[in-house]
Amino acid sequence: GESVGLHLPTLSVQEGDNSIINCAYSNSASDYFIWYKQESGKGPQFIIDIRSNMDKRQGQRVTVLLNKTVKHLSLQIAATQPGDSAVYFCAESNTNAGKSTFGDGTTLTVKP
Amino acid sequence: GAVVSQHPSRVICKSGTSVKIECRSLDFQATTMFWYRQFPKQSLMLMATSNEGSKATYEQGVEKDKFLINHASLTLSTLTVTSAHPEDSSFYICSARPGHRGYTFGSGTRLTVV
Repeated sequence: GESVGLHLPTLSVQEGDNSIINCAYSNSASDYFIWYKQESGKGPQFIIDIRSNMDKRQGQRVTVLLNKTVKHLSLQIAATQPGDSAVYFCAESNTNAGKSTFGDGTTLTVKP
Repeated sequence: GAVVSQHPSRVICKSGTSVKIECRSLDFQATTMFWYRQFPKQSLMLMATSNEGSKATYEQGVEKDKFLINHASLTLSTLTVTSAHPEDSSFYICSARPGHRGYTFGSGTRLTVV
């Protein structure tokens, strides 16, 4: 089944289940949000992004939801696979400033 | 897709020496690059924003004289850790924004100061 929680540092799911990773951001001026996947010893890899004029965006097996009212972001991964095991970070940025601020990260472990 | 190449991937140096890390955008021009540091099991912390042809912008608490940044061309930014000490041991990562979506990251440099 799905595991839902706020700001959990780790998430363990069964292969084939859906995963939901949550993130809270702090800057109300942020207008661009990105989810990254980082595997051990590597740099972050872009997964999906969303701008503040949207509240949902879908990609292949992934969906990002944005709730600006409570400054909350989530990443949903459908049919989670062992290859999805990694640390997931959300990042917020302001188009004018350019730089990104990263959240704490959630370690996703997929059990076969 | 856009690629950011970072070199070296691993470096071990003696305390007191300096280490240079290179970050190259391979198939796009980057007037701005970003340097991050990541300690084990922690998030990425932005150190500085590297600007082509001008001085870098450092985040609060980052010593600009210790972490020298040079962005001499539209495809290359370098970070030099001067007089490195064991507490500087970390994973250093650069990034650039190739278009309107997302940032592309280098593969990171694992620095160990002994």
